[in-house]
Amino acid sequence: TQLLEQSPQFLSIQEGENLTVYCNSSSVFSSLQWYRQEPGEGPVLLVTVVTGGEVKKLKRLTFQFGDARKDSSLHITAAQPGDTGLYLCAGYPMEYGNKLVFGAGTILRVKS
Amino acid sequence: KAGVTQTPRYLIKTRGQQVTLSCSPISGHRSVSWYQQTPGQGLQFLFEYFSETQRNKGNFPGRFSGRQFSNSRSEMNVSTLELGDSALYLCASTPGDENTEAFFGQGTRLTVV
Repeated sequence: TQLLEQSPQFLSIQEGENLTVYCNSSSVFSSLQWYRQEPGEGPVLLVTVVTGGEVKKLKRLTFQFGDARKDSSLHITAAQPGDTGLYLCAGYPMEYGNKLVFGAGTILRVKS
Repeated sequence: KAGVTQTPRYLIKTRGQQVTLSCSPISGHRSVSWYQQTPGQGLQFLFEYFSETQRNKGNFPGRFSGRQFSNSRSEMNVSTLELGDSALYLCASTPGDENTEAFFGQGTRLTVV
C-alpha cells in the first residue's frame, strides 16, 4: 500500500480539456511537492506546498494543499499536448523524518 | 548553477555482476538521496546520505549500498545483480535541511540480462 495514493493512474484527454489529479494519504505531511517526468528523464519539480489550505498557480496549473495537510490536488486548465507526461506527488510524512515518499504517479496524455 | 549529474546514463550488466553508479549533487547541496524507479513499483526510496553519513534508509536488501564523499558526491553500489534490479536509478540533491525541495538527476538506466 502506497503512503500517498495518487489518482487516476492514467488519463487520456483531448487538447483544451481540464483535468484534476489527486494525491491522498492518511498521514500528515510537512510539505507536498509535485513533479513532472518525461520518459527516460528525472522528475522535474513543479511546485511545493507547505501550508494547509495553500493554493499555488503556475500558468495553467493550480495546486492545492488540503487543510489537514493530508492531501493535495493538481488541476490543469485547457490542457495542451506539451502537458503530456508522468505527474508525481511526493512529500515528507511527519513520522518518517527526511524520507521523501512518492505517489505511484499519473500518466497524462493530451491528444491534439 | 549546474544541476544534478548522474553517470553513466545507461548500463547493461549480467546477473551476478556488481555495479557502481555515481551522482554529483548541485553545488552547495550536502544531501543526496537515491531512488529506484520501476513501472510496477514506482519511485522507491533507497537511502539518503548527508555529510558522508547514511541518514535514512529504505527497505532494500543489503546488496544495495552507498557512500558519500567529502565533496558531497555519492556512489551507489549493487552487488550480485538480479534481473529484478533492472530499473531507472535516480539521485536527488537537497541542501540538507530536513523537508526541503529535492532536485533530481536524469537517472541511470540499468538493465540486467
